[in-house]
Amino acid sequence: QKEVEQNSGPLSVPEGAIASLNCTYSDRGSQSFFWYRQYSGKSPELIMFIYSNGDKEDGRFTAQLNKASQYVSLLIRDSQPSDSATYLCAVKRGAGSYQLTFGKGTKLSVIP
Amino acid sequence: GAVVSQHPSRVICKSGTSVKIECRSLDFQATTMFWYRQFPKQSLMLMATSNEGSKATYEQGVEKDKFLINHASLTLSTLTVTSAHPEDSSFYICSAIIQGGLAFPDTQYFGPGTRLTVL
Repeated sequence: QKEVEQNSGPLSVPEGAIASLNCTYSDRGSQSFFWYRQYSGKSPELIMFIYSNGDKEDGRFTAQLNKASQYVSLLIRDSQPSDSATYLCAVKRGAGSYQLTFGKGTKLSVIP
Repeated sequence: GAVVSQHPSRVICKSGTSVKIECRSLDFQATTMFWYRQFPKQSLMLMATSNEGSKATYEQGVEKDKFLINHASLTLSTLTVTSAHPEDSSFYICSAIIQGGLAFPDTQYFGPGTRLTVL
């Protein structure tokens, strides 16, 4: 069974610090990777996608992908209390498929 | 980003009744939409893939006769929970994929969700 694993947390970081969220996946053939943010009681909101090895930066967010290690991460710089949410890692199931497999999410708390 | 709406946002119903949830793509056409269910403190579980003009594809373990999906147009998919029971109480979320355009074609955009409570 193809799986996406995340540490459920909670991960607590002080305001202004860097938050590091990690995700591993089991399907070596996966090509596309997504990070979503979900506030309590709300639906997921896309933060970033990445499909090439290396880093991809967008504002305070950096996604990192290492296909050899089957590992994808999300760094949040200058963390703000408003970043407190659950972060979901999602992996596209394979070529020709649009379905995503989600991890269980990591709950992040940014302490003022 | 792309806008996906859902209606209603909340619904409370009695056991045995049927509930219809609508999912609309507001500023783009979506030939493919997805329906997810999320229980408290759990991740999103894909229920089915909704394809415009054809039958939905259900994930293993999801009863297609209980969760009826209709994708009659490029901007609307509906999920009907038939004969709902308390164990069907959950957060139901739809998503849609932008076909073409500037967005990465695999990107799913989510609706705001519908919270169903079955008494």
